[in-house]
This record gives sequence, structure tokens and C-alpha cells, in this order.
Amino acid sequence: QVQLQESGPGLVKPSQTLSLTCTVSGGSIGSGGYSWNWIRQHPGKGLEWIGYIYNSGNVYYNPSLKSRITISADKSKNQFSLKFSSVTAADTAVYYCARDSATINSIDSWGQGTQVTVSS
Amino acid sequence: QSVLTQPPSVSATPGQKVTISCSGSNSNIGTNYVSWYHHLPGTAPKLLIYENNKRPSGIPDRLSGSKSGTSATLGITGLQTGDEADYYCATWDSSLSAWVFGGGTKLTVL
Repeated sequence: QVQLQESGPGLVKPSQTLSLTCTVSGGSIGSGGYSWNWIRQHPGKGLEWIGYIYNSGNVYYNPSLKSRITISADKSKNQFSLKFSSVTAADTAVYYCARDSATINSIDSWGQGTQVTVSS
Repeated sequence: QSVLTQPPSVSATPGQKVTISCSGSNSNIGTNYVSWYHHLPGTAPKLLIYENNKRPSGIPDRLSGSKSGTSATLGITGLQTGDEADYYCATWDSSLSAWVFGGGTKLTVL
């Protein structure tokens, strides 16, 4: 059973870069057939997909956010990361990492999420 | 504003059946598979249904999913107080080239 765990600072200042890491256990991020996603949930709102990485290097970003996003992976640590630049208060959200499986056409495993607040 | 539309809340009494709807468009639900998730704040969302109507191992058969056109439905029978949670639908949107989600439905078991 794969498990995902987000980590990173809970507080980021406006205009700075938000950096989060997802550590994967019980499965390899290098395994074929899976993509590794970042998703966020603004306070009181629905979920918003940010982007994913697959084959440890190919990335695909939400077109509405792509100018500020970088997703990367470190196979040696079995981790993938999100960098979100020029953050504002509107980027305050719970950030989730998640795995989607091409076999079942679904996001099948999630981390429990990490709260990120953008404030000076 | 979420791409997929769900009712904000539904309620029912223990033992009853409840359905949660998810409405989209041709570019998302009309074309791609729908998944459903159970979520309690502070925990990891849990996959309940994938490919419209399939249950992962360990999900009881009192949960069911269906899809018709640009809408999907999650059904839960034999409601238990432990079913109280937020439920989300999700699918890929071929026009937006993004995973899209419903706004979530809060289920209350009275």
C-alpha cells in the first residue's frame, strides 16, 4: 500500500517561493504507469489540480498556473517536489500530493495534506 | 467555482439510502471516467469509486457509482453515522487538460 506524506513550511511570505516535498513509501516514483500529482484546496472551496510528473522527469501543469509552477522528482530519495513562485494570499490552501494510476484512470492515493498560509 | 457541480450538502437517517450527483460537460464527464472520494478534514482523501462504477478492494458494495451523459452519481445504502464526511467527484477534462473536481458534498447522517 503506497503512502504519501507532504512536508514543507506552513508559512510563506508574499512574493516568495513556496516549496513542498512529497515523500513516497511502499512504492517507487520510478514505477511505470503512475503520475505524481500536486493538488490544493483553498479554504472552504473545492479541489484544484496543480500538475504532475511522470517517468521521473516529464511534467504536465495546470495551464492556469503553469507560469509559476515547477515540479521535480528525486528518485534516489523517492520524493517529488513542488515550487510555486511569487505567492500571494490567494495561494493559501491545503496542499496535497497524490498518485494517479493509468491502470484505473484515477487518482488512487493521497497524502493527508499540509496547510500553507501566505502572510507577511 | 468548481468545474464539476455537486450539491453542497445532503442528509439522511441511518439505514437509508442517499445519492450524490456530479454534473459536468462533454469535455470532462461526457468523455472521461469519473472517480469518487471520501474525505475527512485533516486526513487523506480515500478513493471509493473509479472508472465510473468500480470499487477498489476493501470498499463495501453498499457504495455504488453510475454515469449517464455528462452526469455521475454516487449512491450509498445502509447509511451509517461513520459515513459522515465530504464526498468529491473527479475526472479529467480534455479541453482544460487538467484533472477537475466537484466542490464537494457534505453528508450528514441524522
